[in-house]
Amino acid sequence: GENVEQHPSTLSVQEGDSAVIKCTYSDSASNYFPWYKQELGKGPQLIIDIRSNVGEKKDQRIAVTLNKTAKHFSLHITETQPEDSAVYFCAASKRARFTGFQKLVFGTGTRLLVSP
Amino acid sequence: DTEVTQTPKHLVMGMTNKKSLKCEQHMGHRAMYWYKQKAKKPPELMFVYSYEKLSINESVPSRFSPECPNSSLLNLHLHALQPEDSALYLCASSPSGSSIRDIQYFGAGTRLSVL
Repeated sequence: GENVEQHPSTLSVQEGDSAVIKCTYSDSASNYFPWYKQELGKGPQLIIDIRSNVGEKKDQRIAVTLNKTAKHFSLHITETQPEDSAVYFCAASKRARFTGFQKLVFGTGTRLLVSP
Repeated sequence: DTEVTQTPKHLVMGMTNKKSLKCEQHMGHRAMYWYKQKAKKPPELMFVYSYEKLSINESVPSRFSPECPNSSLLNLHLHALQPEDSALYLCASSPSGSSIRDIQYFGAGTRLSVL
């Protein structure tokens, strides 16, 4: 089955700095890679995603890159703000063989702390 | 509106109790999911319903019993749980569950404590 590794487990930055979180996946059939932000006491919220036929996607201060050959993808947050502090999960998804469902496998999470 | 509503927010139960978790969405989504999340861990898939039928059961113990009464509602019935079942239970929904364009929307979760 799919295995998703995520690094670092914790990341502390100063406000205004950039933050980079990296994930690797094992199954070359994975075709969809979302990133979720989970704040304390809340469920995960999608912040950006990328499909396997795209190498990079950007949305304001957030960008994601995908290297299919190396099986890794990264989240880049620029000009970080204290409200970016949360746990970030990457995920990889592929269509399950017998059911046809897109099944998400999450990375282990990164706790991002942005200090004012 | 991309809201998935879960009730209750917190639940404490004994090992002999029977309780239910509820999840509701009004986005017209046809796939609904239950995840279990332990502290400082990622969500782990438990069940997937598609068009009100159970499509995926990730070998979850029978003390967890899901139910999908209609396309907007998802329940998780709990019976004879163990202390190690204490966790945050998350519900999610997506338009179909089978499209690469599907996005899963999560509720805030029910924090369950089993004494």
